[in-house]
Amino acid sequence: NAGVTQTPKFRILKIGQSMTLQCTQDMNHNYMYWYRQDPGMGLKLIYYSVGAGITDKGEVPNGYNVSRSTTEDFPLRLELAAPSQTSVYFCASSYPGDYSNQPQHFGDGTRLSIL
Amino acid sequence: ELKVEQNPLFLSMQEGKNYTIYCNYSTTSDRLYWYRQDPGKSLESLFVLLSNGAVKQEGRLMASLDTKARLSTLHITAAVHDLSATYFCAVDDPGTYKYIFGTGTRLKVLA
Repeated sequence: NAGVTQTPKFRILKIGQSMTLQCTQDMNHNYMYWYRQDPGMGLKLIYYSVGAGITDKGEVPNGYNVSRSTTEDFPLRLELAAPSQTSVYFCASSYPGDYSNQPQHFGDGTRLSIL
Repeated sequence: ELKVEQNPLFLSMQEGKNYTIYCNYSTTSDRLYWYRQDPGKSLESLFVLLSNGAVKQEGRLMASLDTKARLSTLHITAAVHDLSATYFCAVDDPGTYKYIFGTGTRLKVLA
């Protein structure tokens, strides 16, 4: 059982480059989330999705875009990378139905540096 | 705006001692989650607390929830070095599909 899988695990980008962080889950979870965690800090929500074709902004969406074409996949796109986007990015998913009765399941994270 | 505050932010304690981490939140959410994060790793779920008065225990960790006080505690009994990690609480934001995380408590258990 793979759970939530994120790729790549590490990446270094130059300022102005773009990239897509991949996230896929095999638990048939409707709800998926992208967070960023800056060093020594908590998690900030970037975007989330409650099902295929439905996405919404979180706390810090600027500079990012998402799409959700399938239940399994929730990629995060960085356009015109900036040093302020250097962070660890976590994808998470949670159980369908009454979502709050289950914890979120987290991927291993993508460590991204913008130089 | 929903706020989730943890204290202390940093905790250094001796092995064998007891201590409590506090998680306060600002709205009427009645579901609270505790996670553990080891350095350089992802978050691992520890407890899901679903109602007022809920208490859950796993090994040396015990979590409780008081929804009237909007307070959850994570109690550590007879700490061991393996418990060194960052602990986060999180609550669901009522009326949305979002979770709000606390700032985390970085625990270091000294041998």
